Amino acid sequence: NAGVTQTPKFQVLKTGQSMTLQCAQDMNHNSMYWYRQDPGMGLRLIYYSASEGTTDKGEVPNGYNVSRLNKREFSLRLESAAPSQTSVYFCASSHTAGGPDTQYFGPGTRLTVL
Amino acid sequence: AQSVTQLGSHVSVSEGALVLLRCNYSSSVPPYLFWYVQYPNQGLQLLLKYTTGATLVKGINGFEAEFKKSETSFHLTKPSAHMSDAAEYFCAVSDWESGGYQKVTFGTGTKLQVIP
Repeated sequence: NAGVTQTPKFQVLKTGQSMTLQCAQDMNHNSMYWYRQDPGMGLRLIYYSASEGTTDKGEVPNGYNVSRLNKREFSLRLESAAPSQTSVYFCASSHTAGGPDTQYFGPGTRLTVL
Repeated sequence: AQSVTQLGSHVSVSEGALVLLRCNYSSSVPPYLFWYVQYPNQGLQLLLKYTTGATLVKGINGFEAEFKKSETSFHLTKPSAHMSDAAEYFCAVSDWESGGYQKVTFGTGTKLQVIP
């Protein structure tokens, strides 16, 4: 039982390059999330998927797109990376969307955009 | 709109001393409240949460928190700090958004340093 896995762990991009961050969970959770973590700002929600087949914008969606590929997998795409997207990205999952349910986090992807 | 305020971005305590990390929230409805911990270079993991019922909540690693509605607070405590408690701690609140999704809002975090 691996929980939530993310790839890659580290990535360096040049401005304008694109990349996709991968996330998978093996807990049969319905809901999945992408956050970014920046110093002094806590975690900010980028996109979430309350259930398979649905995705919605969070607090900071600009510059990102997501795909809920199936119940297990939720990917985050940066089409044209900018230095402002330098951050640590966390994927999380929960049984249902928000409420009292615990969110389970992956180990994070550390992204630097030059 | 819900919000979370964590007082003190950095807290230092001596090993064996009381740990007190402060969290105040605002919410238009009775909230669900969480404390998560993040060890260096790892993701967040749940310490404890308040949903309903008993206002004193016990979590892992000897931590506990008390929900005080009148003070809109959910402070985290541990009687005796251990070196392994050095980490960043996040308070979070969840309540209803339109469309049925209960948004979770995280505080900005408090880094706990434990001095030997």
